Amino acid sequence: KNEVEQSPQNLTAQEGEFITINCSYSVGISALHWLQQHPGGGIVSLFMLSSGKKKHGRLIATINIQEKHSSLHITASHPRDSAVYICAVDRGSQGNLIFGKGTKLSVKP
Amino acid sequence: DSGVTQTPKHLITATGQRVTLRCSPRSGDLSVYWYQQSLDQGLQFLIQYYNGEERAKGNILERFSAQQFPDLHSELNLSSLELGDSALYFCASSALTSPTRATQYFGPGTRLTVL
Repeated sequence: KNEVEQSPQNLTAQEGEFITINCSYSVGISALHWLQQHPGGGIVSLFMLSSGKKKHGRLIATINIQEKHSSLHITASHPRDSAVYICAVDRGSQGNLIFGKGTKLSVKP
Repeated sequence: DSGVTQTPKHLITATGQRVTLRCSPRSGDLSVYWYQQSLDQGLQFLIQYYNGEERAKGNILERFSAQQFPDLHSELNLSSLELGDSALYFCASSALTSPTRATQYFGPGTRLTVL
């Protein structure tokens, strides 16, 4: 079993829909990261969380440390949000990030 | 543009060969991380350097090595290449030693194809 599991693996949405991507992990962590990988391959760091909730524009990330679960929400989705969203956890020991397999999001106009 | 540069963008080589991937971190960032992204394994952490010293090691093969130079640029050396080494190799940089406290900025990646 992977230490970081993401769901769904693939997600297709209509423009304007509210989107949720989930991440569950089975190890103790000091922080959780959400990354966005564009179709061209470039990776952008969206959020780094150790507790609670963070918001940036239409993106919201939450984490529940007790339940070992995080969610990434996108409000009013847009075709430009189409990308792979990757969850990664930092175990806090030696800077070793463990990655989920990613969620491929496609937003149709 | 993250401010992290990687060269070359694409690299095609043969099995058994050796290649060097280069990364220049964002100005002022002392930490450099190397990651491998393959189709079957996804993203994997390889190694981290901080101000010239190795800080953390992940799933890096013995055939692979890295270093960070005094000007803070880093090189990842891959030798005795195998077909399975074909992947995207990303470099990222951050201001601090721990990912817990600092956002990582990713370079555009080097796509390595081993034929």
